[in-house]
Amino acid sequence: SQQGEEDPQALSIQEGENATMNCSYKTSINNLQWYRQNSGRGLVHLILIRSNEREKHSGRLRVTLDTSKKSSSLLITASRAADTASYFCATVAAGNKLTFGGGTRVLVKP
Amino acid sequence: EAGVAQSPRYKIIEKRQSVAFWCNPISGHATLYWYQQILGQGPKLLIQFQNNGVVDDSQLPKDRFSAERLKGVDSTLKIQPAKLEDSAVYLCASSPGRGKTGAKDYGYTFGSGTRLTVV
Repeated sequence: SQQGEEDPQALSIQEGENATMNCSYKTSINNLQWYRQNSGRGLVHLILIRSNEREKHSGRLRVTLDTSKKSSSLLITASRAADTASYFCATVAAGNKLTFGGGTRVLVKP
Repeated sequence: EAGVAQSPRYKIIEKRQSVAFWCNPISGHATLYWYQQILGQGPKLLIQFQNNGVVDDSQLPKDRFSAERLKGVDSTLKIQPAKLEDSAVYLCASSPGRGKTGAKDYGYTFGSGTRLTVV
């Protein structure tokens, strides 16, 4: 079963614009993680935010977490063509089990 | 450090045949996971190992899927017999298990996956 659900399912933007995607989940979590997947490749870990954190930055990435709303957002600033990929949120709950959502497909047009 | 190794990269088989996938996790990582990712969907956890013991296999179709992690290192996932709906990418991932503080708070490392096509 899917724990997280991403919104939107697909996103198309111009290079240089910001891309924002959201994730909602259902149960209490230890942390929430975002991954990127290029077509036909494995998943790459981008950033992790703990349940007691509200915001985290890594390079051009900004992640927020609202545990009261059971939601998170990923912002990619100044997007590049190389950011074209699918982005997945994943939650870690009890038992160290990583559960993924359905993903957001991002297309950055040059 | 070396990443998570998976083989084969691609596999095409006929339905009702059997197939096996292999995974070598990052050295020292106690926890190993197998995920199934159907085209257009997010990965779904099939089985989770902690060292050589199974922690969670609630979503593993045990009538046809089996997995083992002998000696708590390499792992194999087998499908016998395969069905058309098993066509997917099978991803292996590993994690240390617990951080220095005891919290489970680091990212997981994924292999490149095995793309299975059942015809």
